[in-house]
Amino acid sequence: QKEVEQNSGPLSVPEGAIASLNCTYSDRGSQSFFWYRQYSGKSPELIMSIYSNGDKEDGRFTAQLNKASQYVSLLIRDSQPSDSATYLCAVSGFYGGSQGNLIFGKGTKLSVKP
Amino acid sequence: DADVTQTPRNRITKTGKRIMLECSQTKGHDRMYWYRQDPGLGLRLIYYSFDVKDINKGEISDGYSVSRQAQAKFSLSLESAIPNQTALYFCATNRDRAYEQYFGPGTRLTVT
Repeated sequence: QKEVEQNSGPLSVPEGAIASLNCTYSDRGSQSFFWYRQYSGKSPELIMSIYSNGDKEDGRFTAQLNKASQYVSLLIRDSQPSDSATYLCAVSGFYGGSQGNLIFGKGTKLSVKP
Repeated sequence: DADVTQTPRNRITKTGKRIMLECSQTKGHDRMYWYRQDPGLGLRLIYYSFDVKDINKGEISDGYSVSRQAQAKFSLSLESAIPNQTALYFCATNRDRAYEQYFGPGTRLTVT
């Protein structure tokens, strides 16, 4: 059973701090990794993708990938109250005989306190 | 206009009723997915389709069926709704050979 694990939180950080969200995955063959942000009652929104080891930065967001450790992380710098949401880690998988599916973690709830 | 739309957005139905949730997309993507989301359980895959002639069961297909009427349309049916099918349902799409999925706004379904 392919799995993606995240700490469910809630992770609480003060405004302006760095929020660090972590994710581990079980399938060594996974090649593509994504972070989605989901506000309460809304649909998941893709915010970051990463495909190779190292860091990828996009504005206040940095995704980090370490395939050897099977570990993906998302850093949010200068956290804002509007960043308060659940963050879903998703990993490409081979599901039911088909490539192309994503396996989602259950999400980490982030709360940014003013 | 939204690229992925779902109808209805909210629905309350009674146990035993048949209900259909519809998804349409204007992204030109071949692949479409249906997920349900329950508190604490995350997103779970119900069915997926890689093209009009390809339908596959996901993790939790029992009690559900789907129809891919066209490249742009993918419907999910609950043949006889039961209360534990109360959940938030999402449709998602992606391009062939790409992994990033794009989600519709969701349908909140309540079965009483």
